[in-house]
Amino acid sequence: DVKVTQSSRYLVKRTGEKVFLECVQDMDHENMFWYRQDPGLGLRLIYFSYDVKMKEKGDIPEGYSVSREKKERFSLILESASTNQTSMYLCASSPDPTGLGYTFGSGTRLTVV
Amino acid sequence: DQQVKQNSPSLSVQEGRISILNCDYTNSMFDYFLWYKKYPAEGPTFLISISSIKDKNEDGRFTVFLNKSAKHLSLHIVPSQPGDSAVYFCAASDTGGFKTIFGAGTRLFVKA
Repeated sequence: DVKVTQSSRYLVKRTGEKVFLECVQDMDHENMFWYRQDPGLGLRLIYFSYDVKMKEKGDIPEGYSVSREKKERFSLILESASTNQTSMYLCASSPDPTGLGYTFGSGTRLTVV
Repeated sequence: DQQVKQNSPSLSVQEGRISILNCDYTNSMFDYFLWYKKYPAEGPTFLISISSIKDKNEDGRFTVFLNKSAKHLSLHIVPSQPGDSAVYFCAASDTGGFKTIFGAGTRLFVKA
């Protein structure tokens, strides 16, 4: 059964902390994505990567960075966490460069206090 | 500026009846449209898609209709079952731009 695994289900961090969200996929997919989900706003794309060491900004990249050192792993980094980054974070992967037919992880609910 | 809009935050339907979830989009460059279903504490899962060159796609109880002139698509679930209760996200993909844009979601309640 194919899987996208996010390392933490729940995280509570303090304002100003550096936060790492990890995502691993076992499907050998080229393309990986980070979204955040907020009520009334749906899923918004933060960053995506279509190859190892490649990254592209999505619609809301401010305050975030990413790392893709290995094909199976895509990390989202909050350089200095702020309360407005409290959200559900969803990682996805896809074999298609267009991003059709994502497989999502279960999500990480991050609370910044 | 939301390019993909789901104007109904929630919908309640009786078991066995039809559920119709609606979605509007603004960007005529979108060439694929998708529906995802999300249960609590799980990630969204792909449900059904339609290419912009078609106006209907059917998969079992699920049918998606696309009206390009109105920039509108809908998901029909017939018959609705209690297990269909979930949040449904409409998404649109600009395959040339490598972007998929999601709507805000509609929470469907199917009452037994």
